[in-house]
Amino acid sequence: EDQVTQSPEALRLQEGESSSLNCSYTVSGLRGLFWYRQDPGKGPEFLFTLYSAGEEKEKERLKATLTKKESFLHITAPKPEDSATYLCAVRTSGTYKYIFGTGTRLKVLA
Amino acid sequence: NAGVTQTPKFQVLKTGQSMTLQCAQDMNHEYMSWYRQDPGMGLRLIHYSVGAGITDQGEVPNGYNVSRSTTEDFPLRLLSAAPSQTSVYFCAITPHRDSYEQYFGPGTRLTVT
Repeated sequence: EDQVTQSPEALRLQEGESSSLNCSYTVSGLRGLFWYRQDPGKGPEFLFTLYSAGEEKEKERLKATLTKKESFLHITAPKPEDSATYLCAVRTSGTYKYIFGTGTRLKVLA
Repeated sequence: NAGVTQTPKFQVLKTGQSMTLQCAQDMNHEYMSWYRQDPGMGLRLIHYSVGAGITDQGEVPNGYNVSRSTTEDFPLRLLSAAPSQTSVYFCAITPHRDSYEQYFGPGTRLTVT
């Protein structure tokens, strides 16, 4: 069964304290892995797409990496405005369907 | 929100009532989807469409109907609302066939009493 698991469920960091969020996936064939940011009361906001193991993408303080079993979202020197829920999703080969993880709630303290 | 609009933003229904959640986009994108988001469950796909006149079921389609008569609009219908349909509903578009990322609307928060 195709599955996406995110950890930890919640994470509290001090401003400037770097860390990583994990997204483990089990799929029959990966067409793409996606990271989103979601602020309270808003729709998810697209961050990155990764297609194959070894691929990396960066945007400001965020860096996403991909292996054959998992993806990491590295947050370097986070700021309070990085506080949000970060969602991971996969699209499997041969389908239009996307499978989402339950997210990691990140809180960055000033 | 990549040109995706959803109405209403909030709605309260009584059990058994019907309603339609509206989703519209103004960029002529073919792929549109409906999701529901519940605490601890993640986003779950309800229905999707790959173009006008073409729809298909997602993971949790029961209790919901969709149609796609135009490229711009993709309404989600609840025929007889149940408390289990209390959720936040998001519409999404997939603008690029070769990159697959989705862009979400602002959501509709629905409460069924």
